[in-house]
Amino acid sequence: QKEVEQNSGPLSVPEGAIASLNCTYSDRGSQSFFWYRQYSGKSPELIMSIYSNGDKEDGRFTAQLNKASQYVSLLIRDSQPSDSATYLCAVNQKRSSGSARQLTFGSGTQLTVLP
Amino acid sequence: KAGVTQTPRYLIKTRGQQVTLSCSPISGHRSVSWYQQTPGQGLQFLFEYFSETQRNKGNFPGRFSGRQFSNSRSEMNVSTLELGDSALYLCASSLDGQGGSPLHFGNGTRLTVT
Repeated sequence: QKEVEQNSGPLSVPEGAIASLNCTYSDRGSQSFFWYRQYSGKSPELIMSIYSNGDKEDGRFTAQLNKASQYVSLLIRDSQPSDSATYLCAVNQKRSSGSARQLTFGSGTQLTVLP
Repeated sequence: KAGVTQTPRYLIKTRGQQVTLSCSPISGHRSVSWYQQTPGQGLQFLFEYFSETQRNKGNFPGRFSGRQFSNSRSEMNVSTLELGDSALYLCASSLDGQGGSPLHFGNGTRLTVT
């Protein structure tokens, strides 16, 4: 089974620090990578998309992709208590050879930003 | 632009009953995917529909089924409910599906089976 793996955490960082979230995936043919944020009791919300190797920045968020290492990460700079949530990594990969691609989610990393 | 709309928000059913959940995608989105989310299993893919055709299916029993209408609206049906079906059911739409473009989620339907 093709997997998307994340450190489950919980991860705690002080306010103003950089939070680093990591994700690895198993399907070398994956081309699309996303980070979602999910607050408790709410549905996932898209925060970043990345399709090419390297870094992509959007405000306080930076997504990093390394296809050779099958690794994608999310950095949150100047972390705020409002960033406290579960962060889900999603990768478009095949469940098995010959199957269609689908967006597969990791189990999520719970982030707490301490005031 | 209106987001993904799911109805109802909450459902309480008893074992053995069946349930139908509804989803209206973002205007212009032709792909609708359904996911089940539980604390233990996380987000699990159920199926994806594109232009009224089921294009992909996850590893769920046949009690879980769905369909998509010509206006891209989708329904999901679960028959012969079991206690383990209690979960948050999320519908998401995208432009072209198969994970090539991002999914946009609705608020979900929380199903409780007693």
